[in-house]
Amino acid sequence: GQQVMQIPQYQHVQEGEDFTTYCNSSTTLSNIQWYKQRPGGHPVFLIQLVKSGEVKKQKRLTFQFGEAKKNSSLHITATQTTDVGTYFCAADSNYQLIWGAGTKLIIKP
Amino acid sequence: DTGVSQDPRHKITKRGQNVTFRCDPISEHNRLYWYRQTLGQGPEFLTYFQNEAQLEKSRLLSDRFSAERPKGSFSTLEIQRTEQGDSAMYLCASSFKGLNTEAFFGQGTRLTVV
Repeated sequence: GQQVMQIPQYQHVQEGEDFTTYCNSSTTLSNIQWYKQRPGGHPVFLIQLVKSGEVKKQKRLTFQFGEAKKNSSLHITATQTTDVGTYFCAADSNYQLIWGAGTKLIIKP
Repeated sequence: DTGVSQDPRHKITKRGQNVTFRCDPISEHNRLYWYRQTLGQGPEFLTYFQNEAQLEKSRLLSDRFSAERPKGSFSTLEIQRTEQGDSAMYLCASSFKGLNTEAFFGQGTRLTVV
């Protein structure tokens, strides 16, 4: 079945450094969604990308969808403590979302 | 509160007992999903409803798991003869069917089987 690979599993950064997580699929995706899950919380929708090559920004967050619609990335500029959590990509496959394993953003003390 | 609500928030049960969880989705949403999540992992798909019809159930799901969505409104997830491996967070989500399929999650039910 369809799978979405997400890397890295963890990323440790100093506050103020950038963070990036990547998702890849072997098949063309109709769209891709990004979610954030805070420690102890539930996934919260961030954004949906639909078009080939699409780039969307939300303040310090930049989301990209690849030209072939097989990969996507989330980049956070100048991380803050409020960014801590796990970021998931999820591909819409007809009736269900296929989830990546998530990338945990950890701010070094 | 017009979000997705789940009840109970926490459940501790003895191995072998049956448990039932409830999910009330956002009222306009016709899709409803159940997921299971363990620590450090992404949500694992369990089953999906469109209105009252259960359209898909994960092949990984044991026959001990059953879900219903009578009248296409709230949904229940029952686990029979619970095992310690069933301990996890059970998440419910709802969404529209269509172009904007973002899922709205409830806060989950944390099940601990002792």
